[in-house]
Amino acid sequence: AQTVTQSQPEMSVQEAETVTLSCTYDTSESNYYLFWYKQPPSRQMILVIRQEAYKQQNATENRFSVNFQKAAKSFSLKISDSQLGDTAMYFCAFGLGAQKLVFGQGTRLTINP
Amino acid sequence: DSGVTQTPKHLITATGQRVTLRCSPRSGDLSVYWYQQSLDQGLQFLIQYYNGEERAKGNILERFSAQQFPDLHSELNLSSLELGDSALYFCASSEGGTLPDEQFFGPGTRLTVL
Repeated sequence: AQTVTQSQPEMSVQEAETVTLSCTYDTSESNYYLFWYKQPPSRQMILVIRQEAYKQQNATENRFSVNFQKAAKSFSLKISDSQLGDTAMYFCAFGLGAQKLVFGQGTRLTINP
Repeated sequence: DSGVTQTPKHLITATGQRVTLRCSPRSGDLSVYWYQQSLDQGLQFLIQYYNGEERAKGNILERFSAQQFPDLHSELNLSSLELGDSALYFCASSEGGTLPDEQFFGPGTRLTVL
C-alpha cells in the first residue's frame, strides 16, 4: 500500500519570501503520479502542480515548482514570491492513474503581510 | 469552477438518521470518486465508480453505500449516522481512461451530525 507523509503540520512566512513544503511517500510501483493540491478557506480542492514519475524534469507552474527525488521518494513544493492568496492547506497526493489518490495529512501555510 | 457539482452544500442531521449526497461529474467524465475529509485531516478515499460499475473500495463503512446511475451522476448514502461521521465529503471525477487521469474535485458537502 502507498503512504504519503507531510512532516510539517504548519508553516508561516512573510509575503514575497520563498517557502518549501516537504512530502515523502512510499511505494513499490515505478510508474505513478504525484500532485500538490491547495485547499483555501473555501475548502475547494485546487490542483497546484503535477509530476509524472517517469519524467526526470521537475514540473513548474509559474511561481510553483517541485523538487522530485525519485530514489529518495521525496516530492517537495517550492513557492516563490509568496502572496497572501497562497495562504491555505497544502496536500501532497500520490496516484497510479485512473485510481484513487492517497493524500498526506497536509501542511497549513500562512503568508503574513 | 471544476465542472463537478455536489448537492447539498451543507447538511445538518441527527444521529441515527440517513442522508444522501449527490454528485454530478464533469461532462464526459466516466469515473467518480468519493472522499471523506474529517476536521483538518487529509482526504480518505471511500469508493470509486467507473461507467456505472464499482471499481475500487477504500475503508468505507458498511453503513455507507454508493451508486452511479446511467446518466453518470453518483449518490453516496450514509445511514445510522454517528457523531464521527461529521466531515466534508468530496466527489471527484475523471475521464477514467487517459493517463494521468487528473481528478477534478467538487466543492464538497459538509455533513454535521448532532
